[in-house]
Amino acid sequence: DAGITQSPRYKITETGRQVTLMCHQTWSHSYMFWYRQDLGHGLRLIYYSAAADITDKGEVPDGYVVSRSKTENFPLTLESATRSQTSVYFCASSDRGRFFQPQHFGDGTRLSIL
Amino acid sequence: AQKITQTQPGMFVQEKEAVTLDCTYDTSDPSYGLFWYKQPSSGEMIFLIYQGSYDQQNATEGRYSLNFQKARKSANLVISASQLGDSAMYFCAMREGGSEKLVFGKGMKLTVNP
Repeated sequence: DAGITQSPRYKITETGRQVTLMCHQTWSHSYMFWYRQDLGHGLRLIYYSAAADITDKGEVPDGYVVSRSKTENFPLTLESATRSQTSVYFCASSDRGRFFQPQHFGDGTRLSIL
Repeated sequence: AQKITQTQPGMFVQEKEAVTLDCTYDTSDPSYGLFWYKQPSSGEMIFLIYQGSYDQQNATEGRYSLNFQKARKSANLVISASQLGDSAMYFCAMREGGSEKLVFGKGMKLTVNP
């Protein structure tokens, strides 16, 4: 039961660099999500995906790019990292269902941008 | 407008006592789901309990129960017989019927004292 895994767990990079955070789930869940967690803000949705090749913006999408060529993977790319993107990033997934399905989270990636 | 409000920034409780964590929400959608997540100091997000707006009974999961008061738009989490391992951040979240997106409150920190 591997579930949902994020990599790397920790990343330090410099402003202006491109960085990609990986997310992989083994449940074949339809939906995948990217959140960032900052003190005082809780979790805020960056992007989400309903299926392969279907993505949509969340609350704070600026500066981020996502893709979903395969159901199980949902990478998040910061094309030109800025210090304000220093945060903890969580990937989550959920299944389609008749009733509301909970989202299940990866362990997070702590990203520091110097 | 803030959709999920958690007004208690922090709470302390004695081991083995019950504790209630407050959550109020705002929506005009008659169909919605309410979720509680736990985030221990290790950082992962753990799904605890779910309540649907049409559910006739309050949700329960082991030591967790949800005091759902629809008219007051509150969905308080009750933890019975607190344990030291319950010390964590707790987040309330809501999903409206027409969306897969979860909106989180800012969270509150629970500390269980021995």
